[in-house]
Amino acid sequence: GNSVTQMEGPVTLSEEAFLTINCTYTATGYPSLFWYVQYPGEGLQLLLKATKADDKGSNKGFEATYRKETTSFHLEKGSVQVSDSAVYFCALSSYYGNNRLAFGKGNQVVVIP
Amino acid sequence: DARVTQTPRHKVTEMGQEVTMRCQPILGHNTVFWYRQTMMQGLELLAYFRNRAPLDDSGMPKDRFSAEMPDATLATLKIQPSEPRDSAVYFCASGTGTGGNTEAFFGQGTRLTVV
Repeated sequence: GNSVTQMEGPVTLSEEAFLTINCTYTATGYPSLFWYVQYPGEGLQLLLKATKADDKGSNKGFEATYRKETTSFHLEKGSVQVSDSAVYFCALSSYYGNNRLAFGKGNQVVVIP
Repeated sequence: DARVTQTPRHKVTEMGQEVTMRCQPILGHNTVFWYRQTMMQGLELLAYFRNRAPLDDSGMPKDRFSAEMPDATLATLKIQPSEPRDSAVYFCASGTGTGGNTEAFFGQGTRLTVV
């Protein structure tokens, strides 16, 4: 079935550092890929998305490129701020998965001033 | 500003009691998801609906959980009887699922504590 794998463990980094969170997927067909962000005490919010191979999703300085050859959708930001501290979830949705939204386990990101 | 509304935001109940969580999806959305979030398991899909019909509830313990959509403006998740292991944050999300491009909008969740 469709699944998403995120790198293990929290990510702690200093303000203005470069952030990368890895995400790989397994899916039948051509899924749409998403990154969601969850701030403390809140629900998940869509951060960015890409619907076909080589598409780049971007928002608030974050970017991720849909790489079909490596089945990856890594999230990057060039210079993080304290306000970026949150949990980040990679997700996919596929017609062949009946459009169910499958999430990775999430990565806690802590940005230190 | 359209948003998914969940009630209650917090619920503390005793083991064995019935718990009902409610969700009002965004008007016009035809897909509704119920997720459970815990530290140990992360986000688990419990059930989801398309045009009010249940498509998949394989993630839900059938003996105690039930999910329904009595109409297009209301989704409910019921636990009877509740157990301490059901303590979690329950999220409802709605979206427009077409062609595999289901973008979901989440509510703020119901934090359930069963003592």
